[in-house]
Amino acid sequence: DVKVTQSSRYLVKRTGEKVFLECVQDMDHENMFWYRQDPGLGLRLIYFSYDVKMKEKGDIPEGYSVSREKKERFSLILESASTNQTSMYLCASGGQGPVEQYFGPGTRLTVT
Amino acid sequence: AQKVTQAQTEISVVEKEDVTLDCVYETRDTTYYLFWYKQPPSGELVFLIRRNSFDEQNEISGRYSWNFQKSTSSFNFTITASQVVDSAVYFCAPLDTDKLIFGTGTRLQVFP
Repeated sequence: DVKVTQSSRYLVKRTGEKVFLECVQDMDHENMFWYRQDPGLGLRLIYFSYDVKMKEKGDIPEGYSVSREKKERFSLILESASTNQTSMYLCASGGQGPVEQYFGPGTRLTVT
Repeated sequence: AQKVTQAQTEISVVEKEDVTLDCVYETRDTTYYLFWYKQPPSGELVFLIRRNSFDEQNEISGRYSWNFQKSTSSFNFTITASQVVDSAVYFCAPLDTDKLIFGTGTRLQVFP
């Protein structure tokens, strides 16, 4: 059974903290993605990765960085969390080509 | 680049009613792919269907059906005899290279 897991369902952090969101997939997928979801804005792509150690900026990369040291793991890093980064963060993975992406359960991050 | 519009922000129906969710896309590509996802209250996006631009046949899967019309750039989703478990946010998403372009989604509420 396909599985994408995220390290936390809920997270509360303070402004200025460094935050790590972890995502692991067990499907040997090449592609992995990080989105954020906000009311009225749908899902917006932050970063994606086509392969280990490769990363590409999505539509809203500012304030974020990513790391992909192993094929199954894709981390999203908030270098210095701010209140406007309070959001739902969704990780997804997918194979190469025009195939579906599989999503994790999401992490609801609150920055106070 | 791809673009998608889901004009219906929220739809409410009573159980057993049929309901159609609209999706209008924009693309300059001659070959393209379209996806529908469901996001139930639990938060995890669930893949429903992928359609490529070569195939204009309508698709039916149980109570779900999809109407793809290239002439009007639409890929509408119909639920027949809706059930309370169909309550969710539904996203239509064209594929741009390996990236899904999500619209703002349509929230469907099915009341008993």
